[in-house]
Amino acid sequence: GAVVSQHPSWVICKSGTSVKIECRSLDFQATTMFWYRQFPKQSLMLMATSNEGSKATYEQGVEKDKFLINHASLTLSTLTVTSAHPEDSSFYICSARDRTGTESYNEQFFGPGTRLTVL
Amino acid sequence: AQSVSQHNHHVILSEAASLELGCNYSYGGTVNLFWYVQYPGQHLQLLLKYFSGDPLVKGIKGFEAEFIKSKFSFNLRKPSVQWSDTAEYFCAVNNNAGNMLTFGGGTRLMVKP
Repeated sequence: GAVVSQHPSWVICKSGTSVKIECRSLDFQATTMFWYRQFPKQSLMLMATSNEGSKATYEQGVEKDKFLINHASLTLSTLTVTSAHPEDSSFYICSARDRTGTESYNEQFFGPGTRLTVL
Repeated sequence: AQSVSQHNHHVILSEAASLELGCNYSYGGTVNLFWYVQYPGQHLQLLLKYFSGDPLVKGIKGFEAEFIKSKFSFNLRKPSVQWSDTAEYFCAVNNNAGNMLTFGGGTRLMVKP
């Protein structure tokens, strides 16, 4: 149980284009999903917290208009990198928190990540 | 704000050596603690977690960690490492509300055969 998927797993795009990344909780409902970015040989940095049915909460320094987050259902959150540039190339990872249960509520289940390369 | 520090950035060990990776956090309230592993080219996997109860937590693949509240530490241990343990290890902390998960900088472990 507690499986999170991401699509696509790898994307290469031209500078200036927009890229959408999907994060799905496959066997549980997630009122909250999180988006992280991981640069090579670095740790995960939280970009934003995505809440179902409401606006995402962005961390300091993350541009809201550049990284659009939509959490339209209890099993799907999307991250759209708008007008992507080479410096946006990174590994984007989502996680989801199970809305039910007590102890499991404090645990985040991670997706496999999406590697974005902007040429 | 909470923060997590992992003291060892790179660790090189021979097979069968014992492993201890340090993790310290700063947060005054009740915390939940996690260790994740990321094998080369793969996604994060949960090794073990601590929410409450016995401070000595056993995880998968022979790993364990001990929560020492007075030291704000949650060090990861394994008595005898294998070549297949070569990976990057991340310590992470969130508060009891289950909100923001803060990661340490990671420790890259290389086990020589």
